[in-house]
Amino acid sequence: GAGVSQSPRYKVAKRGQDVALRCDPISGHVSLFWYQQALGQGPEFLTYFQNEAQLDKSGLPSDRFFAERPEGSVSTLKIQRTQQEDSAVYLCASSPGPRGIQPQHFGDGTRLSIL
Amino acid sequence: AQKVTQAQTEISVVEKEDVTLDCVYETRDTTYYLFWYKQPPSGELVFLIRRNSFDEQNEISGRYSWNFQKSTSSFNFTITASQVVDSAVYFCALSSPLYNQGGKLIFGQGTELSVKP
Repeated sequence: GAGVSQSPRYKVAKRGQDVALRCDPISGHVSLFWYQQALGQGPEFLTYFQNEAQLDKSGLPSDRFFAERPEGSVSTLKIQRTQQEDSAVYLCASSPGPRGIQPQHFGDGTRLSIL
Repeated sequence: AQKVTQAQTEISVVEKEDVTLDCVYETRDTTYYLFWYKQPPSGELVFLIRRNSFDEQNEISGRYSWNFQKSTSSFNFTITASQVVDSAVYFCALSSPLYNQGGKLIFGQGTELSVKP
């Protein structure tokens, strides 16, 4: 597609359930980023992939968060045993080259609500 | 530590007024990039501009202009003759690709601009 695509757009889950969020980056983009945006805040970095390699996961808040990009294109962010503080918008971004020098293009995000 | 501060949480103007959004950043790196993104109510972050740390030349794009001053660590954004369609949250962001390998963006908290007709 022309832009970064994220699904689902909205996700409601009960506390304790596992969720999986999908990101389809722009075709051919090497770099893929996940960010978490709480209400009224700026996005905060979670993790970075260069192709299939996860080079930086320093922003993942706990071991309940796991991300993968097995074939270097589509990425999935998984949250296990969800808690209320996981409620946020999860943004995916991609950029053409490595190292994030070029601008990142963002998807519309997945709004996650944990009840 | 790297940090971006957008001190203005909300700004409200009347259409056709000029408005400046402030951004102050902190970094120890000599090579870095500064960005502005727009987030309309639909939620998608829209890229507006990127500047590198070695280029302090101001830039103008239509009604938008940016003033980068290393001496004050600021990268301010001005909208001239604002329009209702400019209403959005605007984020300033910093990345240091040489320092952190991936070039993750560090965002400010955003400034919500409301342009009234």
